[in-house]
This record gives sequence, structure tokens and C-alpha cells, in this order.
Amino acid sequence: DTEVTQTPKHLVMGMTNKKSLKCEQHMGHRAMYWYKQKAKKPPELMFVYSYEKLSINESVPSRFSPECPNSSLLNLHLHALQPEDSALYLCASSQHKFEEKLFFGSGTQLSVL
Amino acid sequence: GQNIDQPTEMTATEGAIVQINCTYQTSGFNGLFWYQQHAGEAPTFLSYNVLDGLEEKGRFSSFLSRSKGYSYLLLKELQMKDSASYLCAVSREGNNLFFGTGTRLTVIP
Repeated sequence: DTEVTQTPKHLVMGMTNKKSLKCEQHMGHRAMYWYKQKAKKPPELMFVYSYEKLSINESVPSRFSPECPNSSLLNLHLHALQPEDSALYLCASSQHKFEEKLFFGSGTQLSVL
Repeated sequence: GQNIDQPTEMTATEGAIVQINCTYQTSGFNGLFWYQQHAGEAPTFLSYNVLDGLEEKGRFSSFLSRSKGYSYLLLKELQMKDSASYLCAVSREGNNLFFGTGTRLTVIP
């Protein structure tokens, strides 16, 4: 199994909603990442978990809250988002933090109304 | 800080060869990745260069010169399905992976 699975694929939410994005991998990778990608722009790092501990938080607003319940799962909890948060949210994993290639999930296309 | 430059767009003909350049300036350089991303899809890994020189993988090759802060991705025998964005990404020791803005390649018949 060489896949990173993200759900849902598409999400539309209002600015007062609370929702969660989910990511799962069964490759035994110990580093997992959340990236945000706006149209025609490169992915921008949001968070990195290494061995289930948050190791990098790239000054992301608190309305985004990551969670790593175990080594295979990564969540991103969303609350009180703004329309400018609409983007493709990509989850990725690697054997260790940034030392090897990242495997990306297919992403969640988020629209905030 | 870091700075990664790639051409924004390129067009090439089916069956031809195209070279996509990437220049970078960064401290603590560890290695350089190339990813392919089709519109609306996740990036997929193409290559990873740590040492100077050329790495060949089928139709795709990647070159790195650490002293010049320069890399290129070479695509041979272009196919229509190669139309995609190609992202250069620099890995810094124990730190982040920084993506360039990407080069949108269009392959025409």
C-alpha cells in the first residue's frame, strides 16, 4: 500500500461551520504534513508531525488545528474559516521528516462561503 | 531565507525534448526534488538529487550543480500526458521543503 488517502475530496463550508479533514497512510511513515495550495501556486507548508509530535507550525492561524491521533492518521480541524482559506489542502507523508520523498494524497478541495 | 526560480510556462511539441530549469539560493541545502502535478491532482515524485550530476530515470532525467545552485529536469520523447506543472523543491537540513512556483508545461501535437 503506497497511498495516502484523504477525505473528503471536496468540502463546502460556511464561515461559522466546524469541519475536519482526514488523512491516512499505512506505509509506516513517521512524518506527516499538511500543505495548502492555492490555484496556480506552489504548495505551502502548514504543519509537520514527526513521530506523532507537532514539530513545525508555519505560523498558521488558530482557526486551523492539526491533530495526529496515531502514526497512521492526521486530521485538520477547521473552525470559523474565511473565504480566503479556500484552497486545495494536501496531506503528505514520508519515512522521516523531509529526508526522503513525500507521498501526497489527492487533496481536499475546500470552498469557504 | 530561500529563493527558488523556475520559468512560469513552457510549450513543447510531442516527441521533442524539453529542459526545465530551476535556480535556488538557500542555506543548509540538503537536496532537490522534482515533482509533477496535473491540474487538480496531488504532486507526484519524479526525482531527488543530493549529489552533483545527472540522474536518469526512463524518459526523465534530473541534473544538479550544488556549487551553482542550479538544477534542471529533462523530459525526452514528450507525450501529451506530460502536460502538467513541474515543481522544483529544495530540502533544507532538518527543516522545511520549499517549493518553487512551478513550471506549467503544455505539450502540443
